[in-house]
Amino acid sequence: KQEVTQIPAALSVPEGENLVLNCSFTDSAIYNLQWFRQDPGKGLTSLLLIQSSQREQTSGRLNASLDKSSGRSTLYIAASQPGDSATYLCAVKSGNTGKLIFGQGTTLQVKP
Amino acid sequence: NAGVTQTPKFQVLKTGQSMTLQCAQDMNHEYMSWYRQDPGMGLRLIHYSVGAGITDQGEVPNGYNVSRSTTEDFPLRLLSAAPSQTSVYFCASSPGTGTYEQYFGPGTRLTVT
Repeated sequence: KQEVTQIPAALSVPEGENLVLNCSFTDSAIYNLQWFRQDPGKGLTSLLLIQSSQREQTSGRLNASLDKSSGRSTLYIAASQPGDSATYLCAVKSGNTGKLIFGQGTTLQVKP
Repeated sequence: NAGVTQTPKFQVLKTGQSMTLQCAQDMNHEYMSWYRQDPGMGLRLIHYSVGAGITDQGEVPNGYNVSRSTTEDFPLRLLSAAPSQTSVYFCASSPGTGTYEQYFGPGTRLTVT
């Protein structure tokens, strides 16, 4: 059974710092991995999608990597800003039902 | 292009009442799904649909009913609300079940008293 874990559960950093959020999964047979951002009381905004054949994806200050063999993905945020404060969720798609398996999320606070 | 829309945003029900959560998408996506998000449990799949007329159960389907009569709409029905159904409900869509990005709606916050 696929399980997704995100560590740490919470992170507080000063503005300007580069940071890494971690996501691990137990079954390497995945279709893709997607990183989301969730602001309090809001929906999920897709940040990056990495296909199983890819090693990384970049969007602006965000870079996501994928190592299927070790069951890990990282989301790198460069030059963090207070506006980056949110909960970050990773989700893997495995199997042919379209189902996403989510981690519990990392809540990030970036202090001015 | 509104993406995935959900109504209502908030709802309070009494135990035993029924209601329908609405979900619509304007991207002509074949795949649609419903998740619930609970503290400590994360997001869990309730039901999904791979196209009009086709639905299937997810991880936590009990107490919920769905149908898909059009590509655009995928309503979620609570047959007899229970306090355990207090949650935030999200609808999502993607072009298919393959390696596609999924898009989520803004959510419906439901409280059952």
